[in-house]
Amino acid sequence: TQLLEQSPQFLSIQEGENLTVYCNSSSVFSSLQWYRQEPGEGPVLLVTVVTGGEVKKLKRLTFQFGDARKDSSLHITAAQTGDTGLYLCAGGASGGSNYKLTFGKGTLLTVNP
Amino acid sequence: NAGVTQTPKFQVLKTGQSMTLQCAQDMNHEYMSWYRQDPGMGLRLIHYSVGAGITDQGEVPNGYNVSRSTTEDFPLRLLSAAPSQTSVYFCASSYSRVRETQYFGPGTRLLVL
Repeated sequence: TQLLEQSPQFLSIQEGENLTVYCNSSSVFSSLQWYRQEPGEGPVLLVTVVTGGEVKKLKRLTFQFGDARKDSSLHITAAQTGDTGLYLCAGGASGGSNYKLTFGKGTLLTVNP
Repeated sequence: NAGVTQTPKFQVLKTGQSMTLQCAQDMNHEYMSWYRQDPGMGLRLIHYSVGAGITDQGEVPNGYNVSRSTTEDFPLRLLSAAPSQTSVYFCASSYSRVRETQYFGPGTRLLVL
């Protein structure tokens, strides 16, 4: 069973601060996705990274995939109250005909005004 | 496009009752899946389908049945509801096994008494 550990589980910061969320595993994934979920809604994909060492930027969000494709990080610069939500990482099964996503337990981010 | 739709939004069941959670997508996606989300547990895969007529078990399949008679629909059946099945259920779809972006529905909140 492939496991993804996310840290921290909870994070409460003030608007304007920077933060980093981590997603770690002992398993290799073919891809790593980050989702954001708001209360009462389903997760929405933010980004997919597929190459070891890959860095992607989405406005104030920076995503990095580890060189060995076992870990990833999400960095938010100058957080805003609109960034509040549950951030989930998900690893794609490596190879095979039956594709599955393994989700981490999530990081609940609260950005206070 | 409506995307991924789920019905009902909320449901209360008594132990032992059966019900079907509906999921439909209008994006002609091959791959569909069902997850449950519980506090502190993240999203766990129940069943998935890689195309009409093909289904397979995920991480937590016990107590649930699925079928995929059409590309559009992927219902989840609870045969005899138990309190342990109280959860939020999400249906997701993606274009194919190769493209891994998952589109989630809004969820069904189920309470089993």
